[in-house]
Amino acid sequence: GAVVSQHPSWVICKSGTSVKIECRSLDFQATTMFWYRQFPKQSLMLMATSNEGSKATYEQGVEKDKFLINHASLTLSTLTVTSAHPEDSSFYICSALGQEQETQYFGPGTRLLVL
Amino acid sequence: GEDVEQSLFLSVREGDSSVINCTYTDSSSTYLYWYKQEPGAGLQLLTYIFSNMDMKQDQRLTVLLNKKDKHLSLRIADTQTGDSAIYFCAERPGGFKTIFGAGTRLFVKA
Repeated sequence: GAVVSQHPSWVICKSGTSVKIECRSLDFQATTMFWYRQFPKQSLMLMATSNEGSKATYEQGVEKDKFLINHASLTLSTLTVTSAHPEDSSFYICSALGQEQETQYFGPGTRLLVL
Repeated sequence: GEDVEQSLFLSVREGDSSVINCTYTDSSSTYLYWYKQEPGAGLQLLTYIFSNMDMKQDQRLTVLLNKKDKHLSLRIADTQTGDSAIYFCAERPGGFKTIFGAGTRLFVKA
């Protein structure tokens, strides 16, 4: 149980385009999901906390107009990188808070490359 | 402030025990976690411990918590080459937000 999927697993796009990443909890409902960014050989940087049915809470320094988060159902949160630039290239990982609310279950990550 | 520190690299021989250490700063953390990340993948929850526990064992994994010193360790018995990965220590100081360390890269020599 407690499986989280992400789609796509990797994406290459041109500078200026928008990219949407989906995060799904497959066998449980998640009222809270998280979006992280990870640079090579570094730890995870929390970007935002996504709550079902309400606006996401962004961490300091994360542009909410650039990284749009939608959590429209109890099993799906999406992250849209708008007007992507090469510096947005990174590994994006989502997680979902388990129903017992003790642990986060992570997706496999999405590697984004902006040319 | 909130900070989690761990050594960046550990190398062991196959069959030996590995001990990965971590220190955290927030004494109010109720949950402390160990995650494993293999190349190009997300994080896999290995184990977690409540702050009112001193030790937790799960098969080859043993977690020790010294709350006074805010020190957490993960011991992997009979380390195998498949254990080579990055191990992240994390604390949850309150609410749902989790603070991660920089990760310890474990290299297992055959």
